[in-house]
Amino acid sequence: EAGVAQSPRYKIIEKRQSVAFWCNPISGHATLYWYQQILGQGPKLLIQFQNNGVVDDSQLPKDRFSAERLKGVDSTLKIQPAKLEDSAVYLCASSLGLAGVYEQYFGPGTRLTVT
Amino acid sequence: DAKTTQPTSMDCAEGRAANLPCNHSTISGNEYVYWYRQIHSQGPQYIIHGLKNNETNEMASLIITEDRKSSTLILPHATLRDTAVYYCIVRVGTGGFKTIFGAGTRLFVKA
Repeated sequence: EAGVAQSPRYKIIEKRQSVAFWCNPISGHATLYWYQQILGQGPKLLIQFQNNGVVDDSQLPKDRFSAERLKGVDSTLKIQPAKLEDSAVYLCASSLGLAGVYEQYFGPGTRLTVT
Repeated sequence: DAKTTQPTSMDCAEGRAANLPCNHSTISGNEYVYWYRQIHSQGPQYIIHGLKNNETNEMASLIITEDRKSSTLILPHATLRDTAVYYCIVRVGTGGFKTIFGAGTRLFVKA
């Protein structure tokens, strides 16, 4: 079974530029998550989709971050404009459903460096 | 979702059992205990989860106390490849959806 795919793996941009990350979840997984992981910290949930609808985006800085999951499969996370403090690893995860009985499977992440 | 408390770091000798504790004293009756681990430069990896009963799979065993206020993840024969950050989290079984990671326990397995 193929895992969660993410691209790119690494990205370096200057502050005020824009960047986009792509995620392809495990086939059949209805729930998709985006996390931000700053060095030395645990992952922080940014947004969570159930199929193509947003169920939680309370931690997403909506003035600069946006995410979409068209057709309920792939998802993109965008940052525009980037700030230095956005330097982090962005992790995508998927699960069969929303409920706590379903484990999440994580992708390898995209390491973003903002200079 | 309930908050969890874990030691910052632990050491374990290779071949010995690694016992990682987690305190979740405010856990609710419908919240599951999950364990993930994160090896350097990789995404977190699911290990095991449970509600009330002890659980075992090919990776580890999960021991949950009777009052469910704490749990222990057991790696029966730790190897150098088990060196990682281990996260204990709790999630509501139905209806809830938020996953909150703490800082985890950094386990060092030494030869």
